[in-house]
Order: sequence, then structure tokens, then C-alpha cells
Amino acid sequence: AQSVTQPDIHITVSEGASLELRCNYSYGATPYLFWYVQSPGQGLQLLLKYFSGDTLVQGIKGFEAEFKRSQSSFNLRKPSVHWSDAAEYFCAVGAGQGAQKLVFGQGTRLTINP
Amino acid sequence: GAVVSQHPSRVICKSGTSVKIECRSLDFQATTMFWYRQFPKKSLMLMATSNEGSKATYEQGVEKDKFLINHASLTLSTLTVTSAHPEDSSFYICSARDSQTVHEQYFGPGTRLTVT
Repeated sequence: AQSVTQPDIHITVSEGASLELRCNYSYGATPYLFWYVQSPGQGLQLLLKYFSGDTLVQGIKGFEAEFKRSQSSFNLRKPSVHWSDAAEYFCAVGAGQGAQKLVFGQGTRLTINP
Repeated sequence: GAVVSQHPSRVICKSGTSVKIECRSLDFQATTMFWYRQFPKKSLMLMATSNEGSKATYEQGVEKDKFLINHASLTLSTLTVTSAHPEDSSFYICSARDSQTVHEQYFGPGTRLTVT
């Protein structure tokens, strides 16, 4: 069965510092991978996605992620975080027919220190 | 583009009553919509897949008679929590898949349900 693991439940970084959020997946075929961000009490916003092609994917708000098949990873990065980046981040893999079902990781809560 | 709305954003109901949550795709047609449940500080759990004009497909462990899903048009799906109990209190989020961009889902802002 498909699964997604986000090893870090909570991460705190200083404003302006770099960020990397880890995501590992388990999926038999070529995965469709997503990163979403959720602010408190809100729905999810898509940051970026990987379907095929270039393994380094650029997203919105200055985020990027790199697909590494050998490590079954899809880590999210940002070179310099802003206070507004504080939120919950979810990694997901598309599963099932047409990859239409999303299987989410547990989420990583990001706190930004001023 | 690709906006999904949910109504209401918050609802409080008494135990034993039913409550309906609407999910609308505002600027695109969605043949498929999804309903998720999110517990506090937890991830999203897929409850069911809603297909326009046909019966919803429920995930294992989700009671279809308790969580009634109707997808009567290409822009509207509803989730009705019947005979609600306090344990049904949760954050319910819908998403919609644009018929044109098959692999991408757009999420609604969520509905906070509190059953007293």
C-alpha cells in the first residue's frame, strides 16, 4: 500500500534561514508527488507537484523540491524563510487509478523564530 | 482560477441531528470530488470519492449510511453527517478535481463541525 512519511513533526527555524522538510514515500510505480501548505483553520494550498521530467521542481512562494527515486524522497526546500511561512506542511502521493487518491503524510509544523 | 468553496465554514449542532456541508467548484467542472476528515494536529484522512451522477466510493471503515454524499452536478457535492455524535466533531475538507487537469486537486477551506 502507498504511504508517506514525514519524519519531522515540528521544525523551528529562524527567519532568513534555509529550510528543508523531509518526505519519504512508498509506492510501487512512478509516483505523483505533491507538497501542500495549510495555515491554521484553513484548507490546503498546493505548493508544487512532480509528475515526471526534471526532478527538481519549482513551486510557489520560493519553494522547491527534489525527487530522488533512489532514496524514495521528495524533500521540500526554501533558501530563506519568511515569518509568513509558518504553517503546517503536508507531503502527499497520488495513488489508485489515475493517481486520483491522495495519501498524505503526517504533516510537519513549521515555526519561524523572529 | 480553480477555486473551491465550502459552506458553512463552521457549524455547531446538537447530538442526534444531521448537518449538511456543501462543496462547490466555482470556476471549473469537477467530475470527481473528494471528502477528507482531519483530526486536530493530524493529517487528512480520505473518507470518500464522489463522482458526479453516481454513487460515492467510501474508504474502508467509513460508514456510508452515516456520511451521505451526493454529487448531483459538476460543481456541487454535499456531505451530510446524519445523527451526529460528539465523536463526529472534526474538520471536514473537500477537494475537487478539474476535468481538464486530471492529476491535480483543489481544496476547499474546510468546515469545522462541533457536535454538542
